[in-house]
Amino acid sequence: GEEVAQTPKHLVRGEGQKAKLYCAPIKGHSYVFWYQQVLKNEFKFLISFQNENVFDETGMPKERFSAKCLPNSPCSLEIQATKLEDSAVYFCASSQFLIGGNDEKLFFGSGTQLSVL
Amino acid sequence: LAKTTQPISMDSYEGQEVNITCSHNNIATNDYITWYQQFPSQGPRFIIQGYKTKVTNEVASLFIPADRKSSTLSLPRVSLSDTAVYYCLVEYGSSNTGKLIFGQGTTLQVKP
Repeated sequence: GEEVAQTPKHLVRGEGQKAKLYCAPIKGHSYVFWYQQVLKNEFKFLISFQNENVFDETGMPKERFSAKCLPNSPCSLEIQATKLEDSAVYFCASSQFLIGGNDEKLFFGSGTQLSVL
Repeated sequence: LAKTTQPISMDSYEGQEVNITCSHNNIATNDYITWYQQFPSQGPRFIIQGYKTKVTNEVASLFIPADRKSSTLSLPRVSLSDTAVYYCLVEYGSSNTGKLIFGQGTTLQVKP
């Protein structure tokens, strides 16, 4: 597709429950990124993929967060045993090439609002 | 990593030109300056990118002085629909990670 599709738009979980978020990148894009926006305007990089391979996972909380990008499937971000502080908007973005100038840009989805109660 | 600093908020009126300045004192030789726009309940959207001097597209202009330690996003004749958060970012020209580091952004409120 021509836009990054994220599902669901909203997700409500009780503390300790599992949450799974999905992202379909733009067709033909090789790179997928996950960001967490907790407080207003504050983005935290979580993880990136080059096709199905983890490219950079320096932002991922190792204990409860995991992510995958498998061939012919939407990418996913899973949080085991959610905590109150996991409440945030999770954005997925994709790009055709590795960004770094030359007008390469990230295309963002509309995000998944995760509320942990 | 080059950190960016920009005003937290700005107010303007419809029809005015808005200039948002961003500081990036530690920018490296291969780095590019990029601006994204975010509306409520949406993901950020690319606006413009530049390396030096001036870049203009159908949405905005970007002015970058010779020392490249700052940049100014210029929005001509803003309308109510330009109310959004504007992020200044530095992209690493020779980076092998490709990730964007977002600052806190500038919340622009356009009034009638």
